[in-house]
Amino acid sequence: QSALTQPASVSGSPGQSITISCTGTSSDVGGYNYVSWYQQHPGKAPKLMIYEVSYRPSGVSNRFSGSKSGNTASLEISGLQAEDEADYYCSAYAIDNTYVFGTGTKVTVL
Amino acid sequence: QVQLVESGGGVVQPGRSLRLSCAASGFTFSYYAMHWVRQAPGKGLEWVAILSYDGINKFYADSVKGRFTISRDNSRNTLFLQMDSLRSEDTAVYYCARRGGAAMSRLPGPFDYWGQGTLVTVSS
Repeated sequence: QSALTQPASVSGSPGQSITISCTGTSSDVGGYNYVSWYQQHPGKAPKLMIYEVSYRPSGVSNRFSGSKSGNTASLEISGLQAEDEADYYCSAYAIDNTYVFGTGTKVTVL
Repeated sequence: QVQLVESGGGVVQPGRSLRLSCAASGFTFSYYAMHWVRQAPGKGLEWVAILSYDGINKFYADSVKGRFTISRDNSRNTLFLQMDSLRSEDTAVYYCARRGGAAMSRLPGPFDYWGQGTLVTVSS
């Protein structure tokens, strides 16, 4: 149950696109399409942004998109806005009926 | 609307026990699996446990296995986490979260709704 690997920080200017990676193993990210992404603002609960690799819940901006290749999943934020500044976590279902989160990525809007 | 409200957090000495509760409303609680997730101060999210909608299937993170017990009372729309033999490394905000997706499913799913969290501090 090792945490998935994410970059500690990613930054971009307003309007730009950024991508956050999430690397696991064939026992979690690579083994199932149950990868999800969460946004967390300081002092707040996490919010679901993407589920099952690439699906957006109702109400989430289409500027957020997800994908997966092998053992690495990715979250792209296009048209970066000030309100996107937050921590982002990936999560994956694992082979032993458990779940694992990523190490988290701090997104800064320059 | 879906609402999850945790309670029961506080300061507890190492080795002691604490029981957290999560009151659910706005959806048919007995139809959905539920999770506990925690976040140590300044750290990332850590999955703790999941309990199926009917209370039959439960799974734990290795870090809490044998010390924590997840349970639910569907008649009271409430999820619980019994935490025994607490350690300093259990200090965290504990969130309950609903397993999203189809109702009455045992398939994996995202954490689609979260509570506001309750802080547990383990310290002498």
